[in-house]
Amino acid sequence: SQQGEEDPQALSIQEGENATMNCSYKTSINNLQWYRQNSGRGLVHLILIRSNEREKHSGRLRVTLDTSKKSSSLLITASRAADTASYFCATVTYSGAGSYQLTFGKGTKLSVIP
Amino acid sequence: DGGITQSPKYLFRKEGQNVTLSCEQNLNHDAMYWYRQDPGQGLRLIYYSQIVNDFQKGDIAEGYSVSREKKESFPLTVTSAQKNPTAFYLCASTSDRLNEQFFGPGTRLTVL
Repeated sequence: SQQGEEDPQALSIQEGENATMNCSYKTSINNLQWYRQNSGRGLVHLILIRSNEREKHSGRLRVTLDTSKKSSSLLITASRAADTASYFCATVTYSGAGSYQLTFGKGTKLSVIP
Repeated sequence: DGGITQSPKYLFRKEGQNVTLSCEQNLNHDAMYWYRQDPGQGLRLIYYSQIVNDFQKGDIAEGYSVSREKKESFPLTVTSAQKNPTAFYLCASTSDRLNEQFFGPGTRLTVL
């Protein structure tokens, strides 16, 4: 089941520009996480934002969460060629019987042109 | 890739054969997960285990089997019953189901 949907599917920008990716989801969440995946590699966790938080920063990353709109955005400022990767949002939702499930979206493919 | 290793990196299999993918972690995590990723797609959960000797089916468990005999190891067997096994397989672990997952480097399986 697909909980998060990223937008756009692909994004191409010049080095130094900012990159914004959006994620929408359908059901109530405990938290939302963003991951990065370089081509052919495993995922790397970037940032986690809890449902009672609205904004979080980590270095050049800024994440916002709007639970009323069921959406989140990831902003990468002053992008670098090394930021070229796919970015995934993932939502943690309660799945019953004390269990939680992490569900990934399809990702945004970011290309940063030197 | 943290403290999770997957082997092999590339795997080729003939149709009708079972194949086992290895996943080992030294992070002392209780929970481990197997995901499948197809080109241009997100991750889909195959199986997960929250504790040794216990595991549950994910969204696409058909044609797959797992075991969890040791905390450090969570091997995935792709059986001949899996109709379209060619994909990128990712293993992950976490100390807390509410927090981040740590991923291995992945195994790319190709059925010839």
